[in-house]
Amino acid sequence: TAGITQAPTSQILAAGRSMTLRCTQDMRHNAMYWYRQDLGLGLRLIHYSNTAGTTGKGEVPDGYSVSRANTDDFPLTLASAVPSQTSVYFCASIGGRFMNTEAFFGQGTRLTVV
Amino acid sequence: GESVGLHLPTLSVQEGDNSIINCAYSNSASDYFIWYKQESGKGPQFIIDIRSNMDKRQGQRVTVLLNKTVKHLSLQIAATQPGDSAVYFCAEKSGATNKLIFGTGTLLAVQP
Repeated sequence: TAGITQAPTSQILAAGRSMTLRCTQDMRHNAMYWYRQDLGLGLRLIHYSNTAGTTGKGEVPDGYSVSRANTDDFPLTLASAVPSQTSVYFCASIGGRFMNTEAFFGQGTRLTVV
Repeated sequence: GESVGLHLPTLSVQEGDNSIINCAYSNSASDYFIWYKQESGKGPQFIIDIRSNMDKRQGQRVTVLLNKTVKHLSLQIAATQPGDSAVYFCAEKSGATNKLIFGTGTLLAVQP
């Protein structure tokens, strides 16, 4: 089934540890995005990528890094987790020549930093 | 981001009525707009989109209106049903950077 897959679904992480959230899409979309959603709030953009080999900072990039080695994968890394990074993380992608078609979302990763 | 979790704008409507959810966007360079529905515990679900060269687009029971002059977007839901109860988000994509930024969200509560 085509779409976006995130892993893991949920994780409890000790503060100070590092972790990589995985995101893979099989739609050959150029643009990919990482968001965090805190309880009862909207989605805030962490990082994004317009094409393989390029990345950009979103609204809340501090404490996170991304890479885009190929079209399909867009991992998000927390180098040293802090409790304020407890959140639900969503990955998304947009296709189309001008990146103006429906954005697809992964199912989310629920991360708890203790 | 702002702490709107306990103060999420809420629209309460009666079943069968029409709903209008509004969104103000900030970037005049945005070229693409999307409305999403999010139910509790789930990811955002695409509803309808509109490109900046249009001012209206209709789907099944939903209509999106775009007013670029005042940077305003609205979602109209006809004959609102209990299953429409959810949080609705608008999102704008910058034509320059391709950043996709979400609005605060509106909680739609449908009363039976």
